[in-house]
Amino acid sequence: KNEVEQSPQNLTAQEGEFITINCSYSVGISALHWLQQHPGGGIVSLFMLSSGKKKHGRLIATINIQEKHSSLHITASHPRDSAVYICAVRRGAGNMLTFGGGTRLMVKP
Amino acid sequence: DAGITQSPRHKVTETGTPVTLRCHQTENHRYMYWYRQDPGHGLRLIHYSYGVKDTDKGEVSDGYSVSRSKTEDFLLTLESATSSQTSVYFCAITGEGFYGYTFGSGTRLTVV
Repeated sequence: KNEVEQSPQNLTAQEGEFITINCSYSVGISALHWLQQHPGGGIVSLFMLSSGKKKHGRLIATINIQEKHSSLHITASHPRDSAVYICAVRRGAGNMLTFGGGTRLMVKP
Repeated sequence: DAGITQSPRHKVTETGTPVTLRCHQTENHRYMYWYRQDPGHGLRLIHYSYGVKDTDKGEVSDGYSVSRSKTEDFLLTLESATSSQTSVYFCAITGEGFYGYTFGSGTRLTVV
């Protein structure tokens, strides 16, 4: 079993819909990251969380440390949100990341 | 200034040749990493550095070596490239404490 599991693997939404991507992990962590990668593109860090909730524009990330679960929400989705969203947990003295498999999101106009 | 740059962006090389990828940062961050990204495997850690001349292996380190002689530069070397090392390579940096991660733009390496 992978240490970081994301669901769903693929997601198609209509513009304007509310989107939720889930991440569960089975190891001790110091923080959890949500990353975004556009096709053929680089990786951008969206959030780093160690507790609670963070919001940036239309994006909201939450984490429940006791349940080892995090969610990324996108409100009023837009075609430009189409990308792969990756959950990664930060662990160890070296602050390494262990990654989930990613969620491929397509938002249709 | 991007804060982190990788070079080259693209490279095609022949099996058996040595290849060096460079990661350069201007953030003075302590930690630097090399990850590879492959379809079906996602991102995996190759090697990382926690200071000048201080490096350690990740989960897919076989066939790779690294060096860090200055805070700002972290080199990844494939001593004798193989087709299984065809991948996209990302460098990343982070600092002490509650710093976020910053990723380089990636290097697409093809071994033929």
